[in-house]
Amino acid sequence: EPEVTQTPSHQVTQMGQEVILRCVPISNHLYFYWYRQILGQKVEFLVSFYNNEISEKSEIFDDQFSVERPDGSNFTLKIRSTKLEDSAMYFCASSASVTDTQYFGPGTRLTVL
Amino acid sequence: AQSVTQPDIHITVSEGASLELRCNYSYGATPYLFWYVQSPGQGLQLLLKYFSGDTLVQGIKGFEAEFKRSQSSFNLRKPSVHWSDAAEYFCVSGGSQGNLIFGKGTKLSVKP
Repeated sequence: EPEVTQTPSHQVTQMGQEVILRCVPISNHLYFYWYRQILGQKVEFLVSFYNNEISEKSEIFDDQFSVERPDGSNFTLKIRSTKLEDSAMYFCASSASVTDTQYFGPGTRLTVL
Repeated sequence: AQSVTQPDIHITVSEGASLELRCNYSYGATPYLFWYVQSPGQGLQLLLKYFSGDTLVQGIKGFEAEFKRSQSSFNLRKPSVHWSDAAEYFCVSGGSQGNLIFGKGTKLSVKP
């Protein structure tokens, strides 16, 4: 069964450093998403991406964040200058259409020191 | 604004007992509603979803949920819980732009 994959599973970085989180969505899906879950808190929507552009973003997704689909298979989330409060589990998801089921990857745990 | 409330943070049930996890949503139109499950160290797995039609929806692993518009609820049920059901359960509402709105989650523990 096709699945969403994410790398790395755990990333440790120093405050102020740039990080890139990688995702490989399900191959025939067209909509891609990033969510995050700070320890002990809700899963929160960050951004949705369709047709090579952002279709929706939350107020969390400020100028420090960017997303890209650099090739036909990868979908990345970049945090330009990490802050302590960016420490969280980051989930990638994909779906065939905007109203279809979103399938989630296993997540990347980001720890900012 | 759209929101999802799961009033129970942690529930413990005995193996073989029935289970009901509560969920209330806040949305003007008929929402898209989902239940996802997250086992330790795992990603989020879809249990079931409601888009329209029959208000009682069946999911995987023997779970079902009932959409009740009058109560703004979408409670998850299972008649007999197995030890492997221990996990965190999220009630989720679909936003108009495809963004999902999560409840805080209910952690289920299963006693032998």
